[in-house]
Amino acid sequence: DQQVKQNSPSLSVQEGRISILNCDYTNSMFDYFLWYKKYPAEGPTFLISISSIKDKNEDGRFTVFLNKSAKHLSLHIVPSQPGDSAVYFCASKDTGFQKLVFGTGTRLLVSP
Amino acid sequence: DGGITQSPKYLFRKEGQNVTLSCEQNLNHDAMYWYRQDPGQGLRLIYYSQIVNDFQKGDIAEGYSVSREKKESFPLTVTSAQKNPTAFYLCASSLGRGLALETQYFGPGTRLLVL
Repeated sequence: DQQVKQNSPSLSVQEGRISILNCDYTNSMFDYFLWYKKYPAEGPTFLISISSIKDKNEDGRFTVFLNKSAKHLSLHIVPSQPGDSAVYFCASKDTGFQKLVFGTGTRLLVSP
Repeated sequence: DGGITQSPKYLFRKEGQNVTLSCEQNLNHDAMYWYRQDPGQGLRLIYYSQIVNDFQKGDIAEGYSVSREKKESFPLTVTSAQKNPTAFYLCASSLGRGLALETQYFGPGTRLLVL
């Protein structure tokens, strides 16, 4: 039972363009959502988060959008840079519990 | 310079052997976690601890054991009962203390390989 799904295993984008990474969840009790970036053989790095009381959160080049009715969130990276090439995981949490539930990740490749 | 350290970076296990992965944090976080990552999969929770001397099983605790004797340390033992231990193991910590909107921060990971 996969409660958090990232249906695109990979995404290729040209430098300077927008990258859009998508994530769907099934558990309506999830009310806090996070995006992590991971390079090979390293631990994930926290990027940005959003609580269910908001529908958008921005931090520099990164914006997360939350559509609660569709149980969908997306991460926009504008403009994309080659250093953004990594695997991106979305994670969701029911704030009544300590546990994060992770998606399977999307590998982003930004080409010069 | 606060952070989470994991050692060793690579670890080799022989058949029937128990091995222990180290995780230390100096962020003054109450909560600590162990995850396992397999190729093409997300992170799966093995064990977590919200406070010293207390820990709970995650989704895939079979074949693993933990202890939490100190706030800074949360070692994970991979026992011989774990039949498929080859994976990338990640330790994380968070403030805990009942905070709802909190972020987990990760260490650099340990790759465990079976000889």
